[in-house]
Amino acid sequence: DTEVTQTPKHLVMGMTNKKSLKCEQHMGHRAMYWYKQKAKKPPELMFVYSYEKLSINESVPSRFSPECPNSSLLNLHLHALQPEDSALYLCASSQEWGGGYGYTFGSGTRLTVV
Amino acid sequence: DAKTTQPTSMDCAEGRAANLPCNHSTISGNEYVYWYRQIHSQGPQYIIHGLKNNETNEMASLIITEDRKSSTLILPHATLRDTAVYYCIVVQAGSARQLTFGSGTQLTVLP
Repeated sequence: DTEVTQTPKHLVMGMTNKKSLKCEQHMGHRAMYWYKQKAKKPPELMFVYSYEKLSINESVPSRFSPECPNSSLLNLHLHALQPEDSALYLCASSQEWGGGYGYTFGSGTRLTVV
Repeated sequence: DAKTTQPTSMDCAEGRAANLPCNHSTISGNEYVYWYRQIHSQGPQYIIHGLKNNETNEMASLIITEDRKSSTLILPHATLRDTAVYYCIVVQAGSARQLTFGSGTQLTVLP
């Protein structure tokens, strides 16, 4: 299995809702990442997990809450989002963190906040 | 991590070679050059990476100048499916900052 699987592919949620995005990989990768991509912009790093521990939080608002329950799974819990949080959310994984290793991206979850 | 500069957009005729340049004049000795591409509304796809030697794989070739201040991604026979945004990214070995995407080059392959 050489893929990163993200679910759901599309999500529409109200500003008072709580929802979760899920990311799964079975390549034995020990680093996993969340990126956010607005329309016509490059992806922006949000969080990095290394060996199931949060290593980097790029000053992301607390309404986004990441979780890594095990080495294959990465979740992003969403609560009280704003319309400007509408974006494509991408998950990625790599064998280790740091340069020299390829990163595998999922196809993303397209989130719309209404 | 060193910054990169890429042209905003390029066109290429189908079947011809597409040569995508990238400037990374502040690159340091332990920084790799990575290339990714993103087809509309999909996740970025790894293409190739290198440190100082030229590299080739089944998708593309990467030519890095001797001073390492610039590189060129070559798609030898571009097809319509190669239309995408191509990102050149410099990553420091062991860096905590991971992949930081610049603006990229929109490559359009024309029939």
